[in-house]
Amino acid sequence: AQKITQTQPGMFVQEKEAVTLDCTYDTSDQSYGLFWYKQPSSGEMIFLIYQGSYDEQNATEGRYSLNFQKARKSANLVISASQLGDSAMYFCAMREGSKGGYNKLIFGAGTRLAVHP
Amino acid sequence: NAGVMQNPRHLVRRRGQEARLRCSPMKGHSHVYWYRQLPEEGLKFMVYLQKENIIDESGMPKERFSAEFPKEGPSILRIQQVVRGDSAAYFCASSPQRGHQPQHFGDGTRLSIL
Repeated sequence: AQKITQTQPGMFVQEKEAVTLDCTYDTSDQSYGLFWYKQPSSGEMIFLIYQGSYDEQNATEGRYSLNFQKARKSANLVISASQLGDSAMYFCAMREGSKGGYNKLIFGAGTRLAVHP
Repeated sequence: NAGVMQNPRHLVRRRGQEARLRCSPMKGHSHVYWYRQLPEEGLKFMVYLQKENIIDESGMPKERFSAEFPKEGPSILRIQQVVRGDSAAYFCASSPQRGHQPQHFGDGTRLSIL
């Protein structure tokens, strides 16, 4: 069965430093996609970054980059130059394909990031 | 260019009442996914609908929960005879077609059961 594992319940980082949030996944599919979402205390789910399994380059979006290691089945999120506004819950998710040709997402349990001044 | 719109943002119900949650997809999108987030957990898939059709309801509880996406109007997630355990955040996402993966969620509805 497909599964997403986030082993860090909580992380602390000093403002302006970089931080890596871990995510490992398990799937037997050859084609899959990996997402990261940010959930601030206000509760909305903010899409950050996407990596397709066939993408050769690691995805980057501004200060966010995804360290994709296919052989290790890991898709870690790297946030560079942390800001106080980065304090939030972060979820890793995987696109689960179906025989019906549609996609639904399965989520990890999340990592709570606290950025200190 | 409005995103996925959900309302209400917060909903309070007493045990035994009905809760109706609405989701208007992005413009041009005819596919809607509903997810539930229990406290301190990640989102879990509930149901996938296309206009006037339920495609996959494998994540939805068999009793008291139903969903629809009529030809006109928003998608509705309906919970009858609510219980305390229904307290959660309910999110929806939309996509323009079957194979297109949804990425963006609405802001969610936080349901609290007294």
